[in-house]
Amino acid sequence: AQSVAQPEDQVNVAEGNPLTVKCTYSVSGNPYLFWYVQYPNRGLQFLLKYITGDNLVKGSYGFEAEFNKSQTSFHLKKPSALVSDSALYFCAVRDMADYKLSFGAGTTVTVRA
Amino acid sequence: DVKVTQSSRYLVKRTGEKVFLECVQDMDHENMFWYRQDPGLGLRLIYFSYDVKMKEKGDIPEGYSVSREKKERFSLILESASTNQTSMYLCASSETRATGELFFGEGSRLTVL
Repeated sequence: AQSVAQPEDQVNVAEGNPLTVKCTYSVSGNPYLFWYVQYPNRGLQFLLKYITGDNLVKGSYGFEAEFNKSQTSFHLKKPSALVSDSALYFCAVRDMADYKLSFGAGTTVTVRA
Repeated sequence: DVKVTQSSRYLVKRTGEKVFLECVQDMDHENMFWYRQDPGLGLRLIYFSYDVKMKEKGDIPEGYSVSREKKERFSLILESASTNQTSMYLCASSETRATGELFFGEGSRLTVL
């Protein structure tokens, strides 16, 4: 079985400050890890993914994520947050032998001006 | 640009009615998925399909069925809608390879009265 935990329901930061959204996962085999963002009343948009290789993955809108196998984590980061980054963020994991993608409960990010 | 289109953004139905949610993708993807999204629960997989006329149950299939007669179209059916099926429904598609990300539609918000 595979699962994802996002320990924070909400993250609040000031514009210009670093933003981190936490994610830990559990899979039986090697993980494929994804981050998605959702703006109000919209579908999910893909941000980035880790498949293999470099542990630091860069994605859309200046976001990056760091894969840490020993801590089974895949935290999303942005060095300088913007008000427009305010949204709902989802971490997801897939076991390499499975079609299904399992999502975390989501973290609401609010960036104040 | 890749596109997953859900036929209805907002629906209001009465308890006991039969409900059809339609999803079409133009990317020639083999895999298609139906998720429901509820606050605090993230996305939960209802059904998925990895080929035409093929379907598999996800984590919460009770009260739902699906149909995939053509590769580009995946329909979710609520045979007899109930109030606990009030939710946001998200359709997604992906390539066969496990490394591929999911592409989501804009979502269908269903209210059952």
